[in-house]
Amino acid sequence: DVKVTQSSRYLVKRTGEKVFLECVQDMDHENMFWYRQDPGLGLRLIYFSYDVKMKEKGDIPEGYSVSREKKERFSLILESASTNQTSMYLCASQPGQSRTDTQYFGPGTRLTVL
Amino acid sequence: AQSVAQPEDQVNVAEGNPLTVKCTYSVSGNPYLFWYVQYPNRGLQFLLKYITGDNLVKGSYGFEAEFNKSQTSFHLKKPSALVSDSALYFCAVRDRGSTLGRLYFGRGTQLTVWP
Repeated sequence: DVKVTQSSRYLVKRTGEKVFLECVQDMDHENMFWYRQDPGLGLRLIYFSYDVKMKEKGDIPEGYSVSREKKERFSLILESASTNQTSMYLCASQPGQSRTDTQYFGPGTRLTVL
Repeated sequence: AQSVAQPEDQVNVAEGNPLTVKCTYSVSGNPYLFWYVQYPNRGLQFLLKYITGDNLVKGSYGFEAEFNKSQTSFHLKKPSALVSDSALYFCAVRDRGSTLGRLYFGRGTQLTVWP
């Protein structure tokens, strides 16, 4: 089974802090994604990566950056956390870029910024 | 542009009754369509996908979905609902012409099955 893990299930940070969210997959997948989920808005894509050191902006990249130094690990960075970044963050991985590929999700990190 | 609409924020159904969760899509070409389920405080779990062929797709936990090209719909169905089916359901689409394989998700439908 594909396993996608996220470093924390719950996280509480203060405004202005730098926040790191880590995601690791164990299936040698090429593509990895970061989404945020808010009630009534569904999933919105923040960033994705199709190879090591490669990244693409999604629909809401402002206030975020990412890092992919190794194939199995994709990090989301909030350079200076703000209260409007309080949300559920979901990481996903996908085998490759075939259009039939399924995305597999981690359990999510619920981030609260005070 | 690609988009997915889930016209109902909430669906309520009694246990044992059939359920339908609706999804319509808009893409520039033929679509690949997916359904995911999210239980409370969990990530999304894959249920089923339509790629090509038979318009009726069977998936996990007794769910199935019907692809209707003329109505641009991909409704999720189950003949007999269980209380344990209560969860948030997401429809997603990928355009056959899209690059890098990203999915576009609907806003989700909260399904509640009461005993």
